[in-house]
Amino acid sequence: DAGVIQSPRHEVTEMGQEVTLRCKPISGHDYLFWYRQTMMRGLELLIYFNNNVPIDDSGMPEDRFSAKMPNASFSTLKIQPSEPRDSAVYFCASSYRGEKLFFGSGTQLSVL
Amino acid sequence: AQTVTQSQPEMSVQEAETVTLSCTYDTSESDYYLFWYKQPPSRQMILVIRQEAYKQQNATENRFSVNFQKAAKSFSLKISDSQLGDAAMYFCAYRSAYNNNDMRFGAGTRLTVKP
Repeated sequence: DAGVIQSPRHEVTEMGQEVTLRCKPISGHDYLFWYRQTMMRGLELLIYFNNNVPIDDSGMPEDRFSAKMPNASFSTLKIQPSEPRDSAVYFCASSYRGEKLFFGSGTQLSVL
Repeated sequence: AQTVTQSQPEMSVQEAETVTLSCTYDTSESDYYLFWYKQPPSRQMILVIRQEAYKQQNATENRFSVNFQKAAKSFSLKISDSQLGDAAMYFCAYRSAYNNNDMRFGAGTRLTVKP
């Protein structure tokens, strides 16, 4: 298996633009997580899905953030409109039955 | 709420030597899992080692081993025969056995390996 695949690897956008981050989890995994990593706050859980259903989105900073998982092999995290304070590395991770967490390579987002 | 503390922002070790990274955690739960993740400059978060709280035996993965002290709530990582490729950020993480998806990470320790 190729592991968790995220795209794009880097994203540079201007304030106010819509940003969509993509994730393909490991085949057969039933949990998918979105994390954000910043120097100030470290790794924060934004939202997670179980069997494509959002279970806990309490970590989503505000209504500008939304996440979807239309099927077992794809998820998106959308920020609309983006702001400079959203600049961070966004990680997607997946696991089977909540066991070991496998991370993607992350998306480095820069909002100018 | 569970918290994970890594008190060493930075550590350095000479190549081929041994280094220990510290981690403490706070929890009232009796069953949980502890992890060490490595994040090299490539940014990928890589699982290094995993410990189940109900197992007394310390986990070992090749040159990586842990010293798990449940009563003291301590979970240190020992890297033996350090290699240049071990240079990375290391994150300690806690996950409840009762909520599989509540994983808490420490702030990380940056390890430098000197040739």
